[in-house]
Amino acid sequence: NAGVMQNPRHLVRRRGQEARLRCSPMKGHSHVYWYRQLPEEGLKFMVYLQKENIIDESGMPKERFSAEFPKEGPSILRIQQVVRGDSAAYFCASSPHARTGDQPQHFGDGTRLSIL
Amino acid sequence: AQSVTQLGSHVSVSEGALVLLRCNYSSSVPPYLFWYVQYPNQGLQLLLKYTSAATLVKGINGFEAEFKKSETSFHLTKPSAHMSDAAEYFCAHLGDSTLGRLYFGRGTQLTVWP
Repeated sequence: NAGVMQNPRHLVRRRGQEARLRCSPMKGHSHVYWYRQLPEEGLKFMVYLQKENIIDESGMPKERFSAEFPKEGPSILRIQQVVRGDSAAYFCASSPHARTGDQPQHFGDGTRLSIL
Repeated sequence: AQSVTQLGSHVSVSEGALVLLRCNYSSSVPPYLFWYVQYPNQGLQLLLKYTSAATLVKGINGFEAEFKKSETSFHLTKPSAHMSDAAEYFCAHLGDSTLGRLYFGRGTQLTVWP
């Protein structure tokens, strides 16, 4: 399966712990997007990255959240000191270039994060 | 602000009936519009997209959508519903294609009755 791979599929953390979510884009895709889906809501954009660069992080909470997409390896969304309100499904999408209008984003199956 | 509005969070139809899921957009830039489907515990799958070509767009699984600029609408239709169409459907808007971020509606849960 050459699709967008996210792991883990489910992640349980206690309040105050750290959560790390991983995303491997489709082969040949160098643009990665992270979205968050809260219950009964649509997806909300969080951050857009290219290899080694953050292009747009306007949707990221100011504290505790960070993202990276290193030259080698998957993109990582990191949440420090998690709180109950971080419980959500986190989706990663990738595209081959920035013009998403021409090449739509392909989504992974998401990571369901539950905070105890 | 750029946004999409999906009218009706839940739609129920009988198998074989017409499916109509509504989406209106607001934007000051030429729109790129998408419909995605999400099955339980899965990611989003692209159904179809509008990118300023033909106003009637055909997608996968028998779905189509018509872009109406005068009504700022991009409603999704399927002539005959199938049980396998039961899922959540999201309309999305790409306001600025150079940045790549998608703006999603809140979603419409489609139920298909036998």
